[in-house]
Amino acid sequence: QKEVEQNSGPLSVPEGAIASLNCTYSDRVSQSFFWYRQYSGKSPELIMSIYSNGDKEDGRFTAQLNKASQYVSLLIRDSQPSDSATYLCAVKNYGQNFVFGPGTRLSVLP
Amino acid sequence: DAGVIQSPRHEVTEMGQEVTLRCKPISGHDYLFWYRQTMMRGLELLIYFNNNVPIDDSGMPEDRFSAKMPNASFSTLKIQPSEPRDSAVYFCASYSQRGYTDTQYFGPGTRLTVL
Repeated sequence: QKEVEQNSGPLSVPEGAIASLNCTYSDRVSQSFFWYRQYSGKSPELIMSIYSNGDKEDGRFTAQLNKASQYVSLLIRDSQPSDSATYLCAVKNYGQNFVFGPGTRLSVLP
Repeated sequence: DAGVIQSPRHEVTEMGQEVTLRCKPISGHDYLFWYRQTMMRGLELLIYFNNNVPIDDSGMPEDRFSAKMPNASFSTLKIQPSEPRDSAVYFCASYSQRGYTDTQYFGPGTRLTVL
């Protein structure tokens, strides 16, 4: 069983809609959770981190964490074509061991 | 700050050759990570250093891979001998635990092709 799982997509949404990206993880002791965005041919860049159960909002992005269900999500409101990218979910386990999911490819259609 | 610097950006080599990838982390960052990304396996952590000391190398695929960090501003990842299955994008990332975030900053990556 993979430690961090995501739907590979592609997830297609129309411009202006809400994009919902989901991630599950297997290690119950995980404490830190991250969403990275990776444009094609580029390196990952951090867009959100979340450490406590509940929601965390930053502009058009909202991260949601449910540790009991071992589930993390990312909502992108008012999606723009520039949001088209692969979104990587990452979990920090013991020490500084970051485990990345396979990524979900998002396509925002104009 | 120039960010994390990696060289070379592209490397094409033949099977059996030695390959050395280089990384300069952001000044003041005390953690450095080496990752490998492929379509099949995604982004995998190979090894990470804290204050120049290797902490966890459990992700290093085999003895052909080695990594060093001789000082706070330089790290290398070496593959000897290289094989076609080593073809991937190799990323270096760094961050500082002294802040209250776990923001890793990634370098631009080195695209390695082994023929």
